[in-house]
Amino acid sequence: QKEVEQDPGPLSVPEGAIVSLNCTYSNSAFQYFMWYRQYSRKGPELLMYTYSSGNKEDGRFTAQVDKSSKYISLFIRDSQPSDSATYLCAMSADNQGGKLIFGQGTELSVKP
Amino acid sequence: NAGVTQTPKFQVLKTGQSMTLQCAQDMNHEYMSWYRQDPGMGLRLIHYSVGAGITDQGEVPNGYNVSRSTTEDFPLRLLSAAPSQTSVYFCASSYGTALYEQYFGPGTRLTVT
Repeated sequence: QKEVEQDPGPLSVPEGAIVSLNCTYSNSAFQYFMWYRQYSRKGPELLMYTYSSGNKEDGRFTAQVDKSSKYISLFIRDSQPSDSATYLCAMSADNQGGKLIFGQGTELSVKP
Repeated sequence: NAGVTQTPKFQVLKTGQSMTLQCAQDMNHEYMSWYRQDPGMGLRLIHYSVGAGITDQGEVPNGYNVSRSTTEDFPLRLLSAAPSQTSVYFCASSYGTALYEQYFGPGTRLTVT
C-alpha cells in the first residue's frame, strides 16, 4: 500500500465549477501537507501548504487537512480553463530528514 | 535569479551507457533532491542532500549515484542505463528544512532503448 493515495482522474469539469481534489495517507507522522500544480511538460510549482490540521485559503483555492481521518483536500472555486493541470499532493514529517512523499497526481481539465 | 536549472532537456541512451544529469540552483538553498516521474506513479524521491558533502537515499535509489561537492550543484549519475530508467527526472531545492518551499527545475526527459 502506498503511503499517499490520490485518485489519478482524469477529472473534467465545466468552467465555473467547484473542484474537489483529495488525498489519503497512512503515516500519522506527516505534519506538512502541500499541493503542487504541474502544467504539461513543466516542473511542479507549489500552490499551497499547511502545517498540521486546519484550513488555509488563498484566493479561489482552499486547502483542508483532517489528521484524524488522514485525509486532505484542495478546493478550487470558480474554476477556469487556466486551472487545467495535474495537481499533486505531497507530505512530509519532521523526523524524516527531508523526504517528501507525493501522491500520484490528479489530471484536471476545465472546459470553457 | 535563474532558479533551478537542469541539463539536458532531452536525452536518449542505449542500455548499458552511463550519463550524468546536471542540476544547479542559484538561490543558496541547502536542500536539494532528485525525483523521477512516471505515469500513474507520481513523483518518487531518488536521492537527496541536506548540504554540501551530505547525501542520502530516497525511495528508489538503485542504479543512481549522487554527490554534492558545492551548495549550487547536485548531479545525478546513471551508472549503467536500463529501459526501466526511462522517465522524466526533476531536480528540486529548498532553503534548509523548509520542505514546503521546494522549487522544481524544468525536468529532463530520458529514454533508454
